[in-house]
Amino acid sequence: AQSVTQPDIHITVSEGASLELRCNYSYGATPYLFWYVQSPGQGLQLLLKYFSGDTLVQGIKGFEAEFKRSQSSFNLRKPSVHWSDAAEYFCAVGGVMNSGYSTLTFGKGTMLLVSP
Amino acid sequence: EAQVTQNPRYLITVTGKKLTVTCSQNMNHEYMSWYRQDPGLGLRQIYYSMNVEVTDKGDVPEGYKVSRKEKRNFPLILESPSPNQTSLYFCASSLKDRTDTQYFGPGTRLTVL
Repeated sequence: AQSVTQPDIHITVSEGASLELRCNYSYGATPYLFWYVQSPGQGLQLLLKYFSGDTLVQGIKGFEAEFKRSQSSFNLRKPSVHWSDAAEYFCAVGGVMNSGYSTLTFGKGTMLLVSP
Repeated sequence: EAQVTQNPRYLITVTGKKLTVTCSQNMNHEYMSWYRQDPGLGLRQIYYSMNVEVTDKGDVPEGYKVSRKEKRNFPLILESPSPNQTSLYFCASSLKDRTDTQYFGPGTRLTVL
């Protein structure tokens, strides 16, 4: 069964500092990997996704993530955090089976706090 | 503007009083789904629909019903709500299936007393 682990429930970063949010997954084949962001009072919005090809993926709002198959990881990074980045971040893993049935599992989320 | 709308945004009700949360998308997406979000548990899928008249259970379907009579609408029905259904609910849609980009509605905060 597939699963996603986000080891950090909360992270606090100073404004202007770099950010890395961790995501580890378990999946039997080549996964589809996603990062979504949920700003306060809002629904989730896709930041970036990986299906195949270049393992370094660029997303919106200056975010990037790197797929590392050997470590089963898909960590999210940003070189300089802005106060508006304070939100909850969700990693998700999914795939399409031979039958055509698709799956998607979300992690429990990491809350990012940005200090002045 | 491409969007998923949900109504109501906030609802307080009492145990056993039937309610419906509406969801509508204007992107002609085939796939729609409902999630609930609870602290420490993340997002869990309740029901999903691959297309009109095609629905199936997600991970936590007990106590919920859905229907998909039109492509754009996917209402969530709680026939007899209970306090353990107090939660934040999200509707989402995507082009074909779960691996496509999910577009989420703004959420419905439900409290069952």
